[in-house]
Amino acid sequence: EPEVTQTPSHQVTQMGQEVILRCVPISNHLYFYWYRQILGQKVEFLVSFYNNEISEKSEIFDDQFSVERPDGSNFTLKIRSTKLEDSAMYFCASILLGGAGEQFFGPGTRLTVL
Amino acid sequence: DAKTTQPPSMDCAEGRAANLPCNHSTISGNEYVYWYRQIHSQGPQYIIHGLKNNETNEMASLIITEDRKSSTLILPHATLRDTAVYYCIVRLPSGGSYIPTFGRGTSLIVHP
Repeated sequence: EPEVTQTPSHQVTQMGQEVILRCVPISNHLYFYWYRQILGQKVEFLVSFYNNEISEKSEIFDDQFSVERPDGSNFTLKIRSTKLEDSAMYFCASILLGGAGEQFFGPGTRLTVL
Repeated sequence: DAKTTQPPSMDCAEGRAANLPCNHSTISGNEYVYWYRQIHSQGPQYIIHGLKNNETNEMASLIITEDRKSSTLILPHATLRDTAVYYCIVRLPSGGSYIPTFGRGTSLIVHP
């Protein structure tokens, strides 16, 4: 069964460093999302992406964040200068347009900022 | 804020049915009800969705009231592996200008 994959599973970085989190959505899906979940808190929407541009973004998704689909398969989230409060699980999700609208989530990347 | 209200926690005996309620009194006519669950820190997993008819799949059943203001997810024979946080989400089926929002969900504990 096709699934969303994410790499790395765990990323440790120093405060101020740039990180890139990678996702490979299900191949025929066209609408993509990033969410984050700080330990013990809710799953929070960051950004949605369709047709090579941002569709919606939350107030969390500030200028430090960017998304890209560099090669037609990968979908990346970049954090330019990480802060301690960026430590969280980051989940990628995708939807098949025209389907039932269910989001398929990846297993997540645990980001630890020291 | 989430457009749904769920009890923060519930428990259920293994082998019994787990009935998880959700209130969505402000749901609009073209919004669907989706249920997901999250086991520990894994990615949320899609369970089932519906518009106004009751739905059943291999994982669960979804009962939506006639006025669509509430719904119930039913796990007919809960197992220990069903222990998870269950989220009820109301949204358009795909795309569109909306922000899908997860609330705090219901933490279901299935005990032996």
